[in-house]
Amino acid sequence: DTAVSQTPKYLVTQMGNDKSIKCEQNLGHDTMYWYKQDSKKFLKIMFSYNNKELIINETVPNRFSPKSPDKAHLNLHINSLELGDSAVYFCASSQLDGNTIYFGEGSWLTVV
Amino acid sequence: AQKITQTQPGMFVQEKEAVTLDCTYDTSDPSYGLFWYKQPSSGEMIFLIYQGSYDQQNATEGRYSLNFQKARKSANLVISASQLGDSAMYFCAMREVQGAQKLVFGQGTRLTINP
Repeated sequence: DTAVSQTPKYLVTQMGNDKSIKCEQNLGHDTMYWYKQDSKKFLKIMFSYNNKELIINETVPNRFSPKSPDKAHLNLHINSLELGDSAVYFCASSQLDGNTIYFGEGSWLTVV
Repeated sequence: AQKITQTQPGMFVQEKEAVTLDCTYDTSDPSYGLFWYKQPSSGEMIFLIYQGSYDQQNATEGRYSLNFQKARKSANLVISASQLGDSAMYFCAMREVQGAQKLVFGQGTRLTINP
């Protein structure tokens, strides 16, 4: 039973398209995150939600819009995809002050 | 602002040897947590170990231990008796309790275990 699951795992799309990545956690956590890992393997937070409320928005272009329909889900929608959006996107979850943060398997996005 | 530094881009170790991966951090928050993650070539992020800033003892999880030196602001990961399956990228990360609760990562160290 996967604790944090993301779909799709691989996504190849053309510039200008709109795409979504879905994330679900079954750990009962109250906080969920989106991280971006670039081609140099650097990981940076994009968004964080606590109990469906946005608590972190790290200067991400407004083409990226997270949506949290409930505590267990945090989806990422990207409009007008650009070449520079190619990266691995990781969803994660934790309790707000918890000492473990679990990551999903990552979604490999390639924009051509 | 919180900052994590991993100064070893790559390390090569013989199988069965112990290995230490360096991590230093900077924060003005007296309360924080330090994390280590492993990322094998398959890409997933695997949580290894956690150390709280007020924990009196160094954290241990199986073959992993965290050498926490608070005054020096270092949180090195020690892997005992390395195995071929330990070959991966390793990331140190920190989360401040106050403020945004975000996890900030270091640049990572690529560890290669040689047979």
